[in-house]
Amino acid sequence: GAVVSQHPSRVICKSGTSVKIECRSLDFQATTMFWYRQFPKKSLMLMATSNEGSKATYEQGVEKDKFLINHASLTLSTLTVTSAHPEDSSFYICSAGLRQILAGETQYFGPGTRLLVL
Amino acid sequence: GQQVMQIPQYQHVQEGEDFTTYCNSSTTLSNIQWYKQRPGGHPVFLIQLVKSGEVKKQKRLTFQFGEAKKNSSLHITATQTTDVGTYFCAGSGGAQKLVFGQGTRLTINP
Repeated sequence: GAVVSQHPSRVICKSGTSVKIECRSLDFQATTMFWYRQFPKKSLMLMATSNEGSKATYEQGVEKDKFLINHASLTLSTLTVTSAHPEDSSFYICSAGLRQILAGETQYFGPGTRLLVL
Repeated sequence: GQQVMQIPQYQHVQEGEDFTTYCNSSTTLSNIQWYKQRPGGHPVFLIQLVKSGEVKKQKRLTFQFGEAKKNSSLHITATQTTDVGTYFCAGSGGAQKLVFGQGTRLTINP
């Protein structure tokens, strides 16, 4: 149980184009999904918290017009990197929160998307 | 804001040796979670600790949550090559979001 998929797994695009990444919770409903960015050999940096049906909450320093997040249903959130530039190249990982009785919320991670902007 | 520090950053051991990584939070946590990320992979949930002083075991892995709920540790007994990867702690202060430590990268000499 608690499987999260992410698509695509890899994408190479030209500078100036937009890229959409999908995150799905396959066997549970997630009221909250999270988007992270990870640079090589570094930790995960939270970009934004996405709640179904409402606007995402962005972390300080993350441009909301650059990284558009849509959370249309309890099982799907999308991240769109608009007008991508080479410095946006990174590993983007989503997670879906599963609330458990007496144990708070556990995050289950998708397999990640490697974005390379040329 | 909340900060989570994790040490050491790197650890190289001989197969069969023990390994420990430590996590310290600047604030009291409601719970702490541990994840393992294999090279080229994504973080995989290992365990969540909620109670003060809690100790949980998963085979050769022992997880502890401090009495003050501000620190935690992961100890691996008799490491195996399959234990290679980066271990992250992540703390929650009660809000939904997790703050991740920097991770400890474990490499093992077979």
